[in-house]
Amino acid sequence: KQEVTQIPAALSVPEGENLVLNCSFTDSAIYNLQWFRQDPGKGLTSLLLIQSSQREQTSGRLNASLDKSSGRSTLYIAASQPGDSATYLCAVSGNTPLVFGKGTRLSVIA
Amino acid sequence: GAGVSQSPSNKVTEKGKDVELRCDPISGHTALYWYRQSLGQGLEFLIYFQGNSAPDKSGLPSDRFSAERTGGSVSTLTIQRTQQEDSAVYLCASSLATRNQPQHFGDGTRLSIL
Repeated sequence: KQEVTQIPAALSVPEGENLVLNCSFTDSAIYNLQWFRQDPGKGLTSLLLIQSSQREQTSGRLNASLDKSSGRSTLYIAASQPGDSATYLCAVSGNTPLVFGKGTRLSVIA
Repeated sequence: GAGVSQSPSNKVTEKGKDVELRCDPISGHTALYWYRQSLGQGLEFLIYFQGNSAPDKSGLPSDRFSAERTGGSVSTLTIQRTQQEDSAVYLCASSLATRNQPQHFGDGTRLSIL
């Protein structure tokens, strides 16, 4: 059974810092890995999707990497801003549509 | 609308009542998913539709839960004889196809069972 773990569970950083969020998964037989953002009381916003054949994806200040063989992904956020404060969720698609981690709650302090 | 729409946004009901949750996916999206988000449990998969059929119902927690989709569009999730442990946020997502397309989520229905 696929399990997804995200570390750290919570993170607080000053504005302007670069930061890395970590995601690991136990079964490397995945189709893709997706990073989401969730604001309080809202649904999920898709940030980046990495296909299993890809190593990384970039969108603006966000860069996500995937090492399928070791079961790891990282989300790099450059020059963090208070508006980046949210919960970030990692999810993998395999034999079930998506299996989610429990998220990293990020606070960026002005 | 442009995004996935869910209704109601909030639902409070008494234990034992039936509830029906609705999801309007993005137009043209053939795949539709239901998830449940509970405090401390994270997001768990319930059921997914490809068109009107549900190839994967493995996440439905009990036979009190059912879902249908009609016309390849709107879906309803029904919970019969609600229990307090059913309290959660129920999220719906849709995508162009299965597997390798990003899923787009609605804002969810917050269900509270008294």
